[in-house]
Amino acid sequence: AQTVTQSQPEMSVQEAETVTLSCTYDTSENNYYLFWYKQPPSRQMILVIRQEAYKQQNATENRFSVNFQKAAKSFSLKISDSQLGDTAMYFCAFMKHRSGGSNYKLTFGKGTLLTVNP
Amino acid sequence: EAQVTQNPRYLITVTGKKLTVTCSQNMNHEYMSWYRQDPGLGLRQIYYSMNVEVTDKGDVPEGYKVSRKEKRNFPLILESPSPNQTSLYFCASSPYRDRAYEQYFGPGTRLTVT
Repeated sequence: AQTVTQSQPEMSVQEAETVTLSCTYDTSENNYYLFWYKQPPSRQMILVIRQEAYKQQNATENRFSVNFQKAAKSFSLKISDSQLGDTAMYFCAFMKHRSGGSNYKLTFGKGTLLTVNP
Repeated sequence: EAQVTQNPRYLITVTGKKLTVTCSQNMNHEYMSWYRQDPGLGLRQIYYSMNVEVTDKGDVPEGYKVSRKEKRNFPLILESPSPNQTSLYFCASSPYRDRAYEQYFGPGTRLTVT
């Protein structure tokens, strides 16, 4: 079974600064996907970024980038130029590649509550 | 607009009174699933469905039932709700196989069982 660990229950950052959220995972799979989801106060689950394990290049989406270390099973999220709208709960999640079975289950970490201060 | 809808968005009920939370998607997705979110636990999968009439248990299925009679709908049924089922519930759908990583989430249903 897969596990996802987010060791930082809460973090805060000043507006316009950079912050990094940590995530580690445990799996015996070789092919999988990793995700960061954002959950603002509206509770909607919003995909921030996705990384395919077979790709060595780290994924980026505008101000959001990841540091994917497959051997270390680490998947951190860096948010640059933090904005007040980035205040949210952030979840790291894992999903086996389609060849791993028929249940495309997302395994989530417990979340990191990020507060961006003005 | 491609979306997953859930109803109701908020529900307060009493122990033992059967309830159904509906989930519907308009993207012709084969795969659908239900998650519950609890503080300090993240989201955990309750049930999933690979297609019409094909459902299976996730990690926390006790106390829940599902059905998939139509491709677009995947209702979650609590036949005898208990206070430990107070939670935030999400329905999700995705295309099957090559694009299974595209998971679309509904807006969530906040359930309180007293």
